[in-house]
Amino acid sequence: KAGVTQTPRYLIKTRGQQVTLSCSPISGHRSVSWYQQTPGQGLQFLFEYFSETQRNKGNFPGRFSGRQFSNSRSEMNVSTLELGDSALYLCASSRPTGGGQETQYFGPGTRLLVL
Amino acid sequence: AQKITQTQPGMFVQEKEAVTLDCTYDTSDQSYGLFWYKQPSSGEMIFLIYQGSYDEQNATEGRYSLNFQKARKSANLVISASQLGDSAMYFCAMREADYGGATNKLIFGTGTLLAVQP
Repeated sequence: KAGVTQTPRYLIKTRGQQVTLSCSPISGHRSVSWYQQTPGQGLQFLFEYFSETQRNKGNFPGRFSGRQFSNSRSEMNVSTLELGDSALYLCASSRPTGGGQETQYFGPGTRLLVL
Repeated sequence: AQKITQTQPGMFVQEKEAVTLDCTYDTSDQSYGLFWYKQPSSGEMIFLIYQGSYDEQNATEGRYSLNFQKARKSANLVISASQLGDSAMYFCAMREADYGGATNKLIFGTGTLLAVQP
């Protein structure tokens, strides 16, 4: 079974530009979450989508947005990039496995460098 | 507020020995889930083990076991018979409102960098 895939794997942008990252979940997974990982702030939750609806959102400015399509694929967009947006962006997908358990499986991440 | 604390920034262990990575958590919720993930230098987060707050038995997955002490709010990861490939960053994470909750949001600790020496 294919894992979570993320594209692109690496990205270099300049301040003020915008960027779109893509995530394809594991087949059958309907929940997709995004996390930002930086050396200074660690791993922080960005948002979660389930059945094309945003189910939860972290404490990030409105420049960060996302969406989920009917096939569960998800994209996140960052507009007006700032140097501090340089990070590893991780996508995770999950589905219920019974007994209330739902484990998130992560993709390889997209490394974004903002110059 | 929910919080995960990992007090060991880095650890060394000899190959084939066991190692314990510490994790304490803080939550006011009665229903929560605890996870451990491994992150090699490549960046991908690899799921290792899960423990639900209502689980009576400590979780085990191969060489990984979770020492869950609910009263002390600790969920330490034990890796038995360490291998060179175990060298990585290890993160403890918590999900609140487990057991059918409406979100998969994970709160992560700061991680422990484990180095396995031959």
